[in-house]
Amino acid sequence: DVKVTQSSRYLVKRTGEKVFLECVQDMDHENMFWYRQDPGLGLRLIYFSYDVKMKEKGDIPEGYSVSREKKERFSLILESASTNQTSMYLCASSPLHMDTQYFGPGTRLTVL
Amino acid sequence: AQKITQTQPGMFVQEKEAVTLDCTYDTSDPSYGLFWYKQPSSGEMIFLIYQGSYDQQNATEGRYSLNFQKARKSANLVISASQLGDSAMYFCAMRPSNYGGSQGNLIFGKGTKLSVKP
Repeated sequence: DVKVTQSSRYLVKRTGEKVFLECVQDMDHENMFWYRQDPGLGLRLIYFSYDVKMKEKGDIPEGYSVSREKKERFSLILESASTNQTSMYLCASSPLHMDTQYFGPGTRLTVL
Repeated sequence: AQKITQTQPGMFVQEKEAVTLDCTYDTSDPSYGLFWYKQPSSGEMIFLIYQGSYDQQNATEGRYSLNFQKARKSANLVISASQLGDSAMYFCAMRPSNYGGSQGNLIFGKGTKLSVKP
């Protein structure tokens, strides 16, 4: 079975803090994705990566950065957390030439 | 613009009955993929079913089937014999291309909340 894990299920941070959300997949997938999910807005793509050290902006990259130093790990970074970044963050991965994305359990981030 | 529309914010169905969740899409790409995901209250997105734009037959996976009508640009999910465990949010999604790589991101609808009544 494909397994995608995220470092925390719940996280509470203060405004201005630097926040790291970690995602690890164990199936040697090339593609990895970060989404945020908000009520009434569905899932929106923040960043994705199709190879180590490669990254591309999604629909809402502002206020976020990413890092992919190893194939299995894709990190989402909030350089200076703000209250409007309170959300559910979902990581996903997929093989290079297959369509289905497999998701982690999500991290519910609250910024106070 | 590429877009997924789910017009039903919430649906109720009686246990053991079938239910159809609507999804329409908009794309000018000649090839694309369509997906349905289930999200229980625990939060994890669970892949249910996939349909490629060139697939001749409707996709089926157990109790799930995808009613693909290409000319109408619709990809409705049919769940047969509903179970209490089917209560969840359901998201329709589109991948603009059938290939992976840098075009592999998904576009999601806003979801439909399905509640199964005993």
